[in-house]
Amino acid sequence: DADVTQTPRNRITKTGKRIMLECSQTKGHDRMYWYRQDPGLGLRLIYYSFDVKDINKGEISDGYSVSRQAQAKFSLSLESAIPNQTALYFCATSDFRGQAFFGQGTRLTVV
Amino acid sequence: AQKVTQAQTEISVVEKEDVTLDCVYETRDTTYYLFWYKQPPSGELVFLIRRNSFDEQNEISGRYSWNFQKSTSSFNFTITASQVVDSAVYFCALSEAGRSGGGADGLTFGKGTHLIIQP
Repeated sequence: DADVTQTPRNRITKTGKRIMLECSQTKGHDRMYWYRQDPGLGLRLIYYSFDVKDINKGEISDGYSVSRQAQAKFSLSLESAIPNQTALYFCATSDFRGQAFFGQGTRLTVV
Repeated sequence: AQKVTQAQTEISVVEKEDVTLDCVYETRDTTYYLFWYKQPPSGELVFLIRRNSFDEQNEISGRYSWNFQKSTSSFNFTITASQVVDSAVYFCALSEAGRSGGGADGLTFGKGTHLIIQP
């Protein structure tokens, strides 16, 4: 099993719908992250968390919210999806030296 | 604020050629970490190397080598005798020590270089 697991792997949703992307990890890391990847733009940080009580906005948090349900679980929500949120989303954990361990990605399409 | 620039959007070479991917970074911190990740066509992100700001030693791992130069804020990646399996998008990334140390505030990525190795 993967150390960082994202569900779903692919999702198509309609504009205005609420959608949640889930992430769980078995690395035992406190730090978890959500990134978004768009073609030609690299990955950009949406939110990150040091523990269940410590949530921080990243570079592009508008339109997103997160929930850290436990050390091992970190969910990303789009309250009202819009087409420009179509992207590849990655969850990651980080060890104390900053090395990120990524999930396999969730390809989200908003139509 | 930190920034990573990968000026080469796409590079195409013939198999067995050597190729260098450039990475230039900006940061105000004296303690920071630099990374390279590979993203093959299947989409996952594969960790290649981590380097901290106090370690300017170059590194070689098989056909891969990295040249870290603080004087020019560069962390370049060279593939020697390239192979078709090296075809991928390569990302350079930076993290600053942050309030908790150890690069906890997340990675800043370059836009990536798409490397195409032709047989």
